Amino acid sequence: DIQMTQSPSSLSASVGDRVTITCRASQSISTYLNWYQQRPGTAPKLLIYTASNLQSEVPSRFSGSGSGTDFTLTIISLQPEDFATYYCQQSYSSPRTFGQGTKVEIK
Amino acid sequence: EVRLVESGGGLVQPGRSLRISCVASGFTFSDHYMDWVRQAPGKGLEWVGRIRNRANSYTTEYAASVKGRFTISRDDSENSLYLHMNSLQTEDTAFYYCARYSGSTRRSMDVWGKGTTVTVSS
Repeated sequence: DIQMTQSPSSLSASVGDRVTITCRASQSISTYLNWYQQRPGTAPKLLIYTASNLQSEVPSRFSGSGSGTDFTLTIISLQPEDFATYYCQQSYSSPRTFGQGTKVEIK
Repeated sequence: EVRLVESGGGLVQPGRSLRISCVASGFTFSDHYMDWVRQAPGKGLEWVGRIRNRANSYTTEYAASVKGRFTISRDDSENSLYLHMNSLQTEDTAFYYCARYSGSTRRSMDVWGKGTTVTVSS
């Protein structure tokens, strides 16, 4: 199975900050990496698919990059509604594993 | 409006069975692969399994933690997805989400239901 490791597990940031979350796969997954946002008490929401493609209606302050084993989710100018937990997920092979999540909290 | 609505969750004793459902609307359900994802209380997301569409023979795949105990099925005439859970264990306690898989170039779960809670306890 492909293991997905996110870092950090949590971070504190202020509105307007730039935030970077990394995700590392235990083997190469090409660009088959997705990012999801989950606000408390709600279902996950797709943000980025295949590493760098912004899902429709997702604000352009979100971006993704990477290929192979190392990936990054960046949020420029953090907004109040962005305080949530973010998960990466590989869609390269079964089982379709998720990272453990990164909780973005208000500083 | 594209929508997924899960139902059927509840409290069940260890070793018993339960079936949860997911009804789709607003898109051509039969075209899509469908996934189940779960989230134990206070924990992260765990992919449970997938069922492909008719064109791909409704084949399924499962996480190791549920393989042999859980079965995913679908009824395209009812726009419905099912998760049959047997030999339930306390560690199966979780919020269960169904999700639409958008394949080919996207290869991601782009629509999610609000979920249903399954609690396994004596």
